[in-house]
Amino acid sequence: GAGVSQSPSNKVTEKGKDVELRCDPISGHTALYWYRQSLGQGLEFLIYFQGNSAPDKSGLPSDRFSAERTGGSVSTLTIQRTQQEDSAVYLCASSIRRNGRAPSSYNEQFFGPGTRLTVL
Amino acid sequence: AQKVTQAQTEISVVEKEDVTLDCVYETRDTTYYLFWYKQPPSGELVFLIRRNSFDEQNEISGRYSWNFQKSTSSFNFTITASQVVDSAVYFCALSEGSGSEKLVFGKGTKLTVNP
Repeated sequence: GAGVSQSPSNKVTEKGKDVELRCDPISGHTALYWYRQSLGQGLEFLIYFQGNSAPDKSGLPSDRFSAERTGGSVSTLTIQRTQQEDSAVYLCASSIRRNGRAPSSYNEQFFGPGTRLTVL
Repeated sequence: AQKVTQAQTEISVVEKEDVTLDCVYETRDTTYYLFWYKQPPSGELVFLIRRNSFDEQNEISGRYSWNFQKSTSSFNFTITASQVVDSAVYFCALSEGSGSEKLVFGKGTKLTVNP
């Protein structure tokens, strides 16, 4: 497909288990973002990848959360020892990110359908 | 710190009414970008518009229009002659002009358009 895809669409897990969420960005998009959407906190930024640069991890809520992006394309978000408060929809987005700071260098982020995580 | 406020939690209108969704932002950056996204019941966030801080021109796209005013730090969104298909949660978002350009979202406004 032409859009951002995420898998699984739904994940139910038990407290304490580890989970992996996958994101396939739009082909050719160099920037990849993870966000989390929950009732209490709204939409929150988690982590950002751009090319070979060091990722911006400033939004990760704890060290139980980690993410990697292999080959500049697919990304995996891992949550270790899940807690009930981790229950949320995890959204992935990608964009074309050109170098420079001019307005024309920035492009909108396109979002995937999300993975709904439920921790029992 | 960046912040986006959407004071209207829920709005309900009757079809064909005009409706304006408010968005107020805070940032210390001189270069920044503003966005509106739509999240229909299906759940997927749909990009509607991007505005950069250098361009205060208002924009119209069909029944949608946006009013960007730097003097009041607002970026309001108006739907003219609303339709049932416009029912969704609408998010306003802000991104700084440097670094990761991550989006800071408002809490969203749930719009219900009744037939």
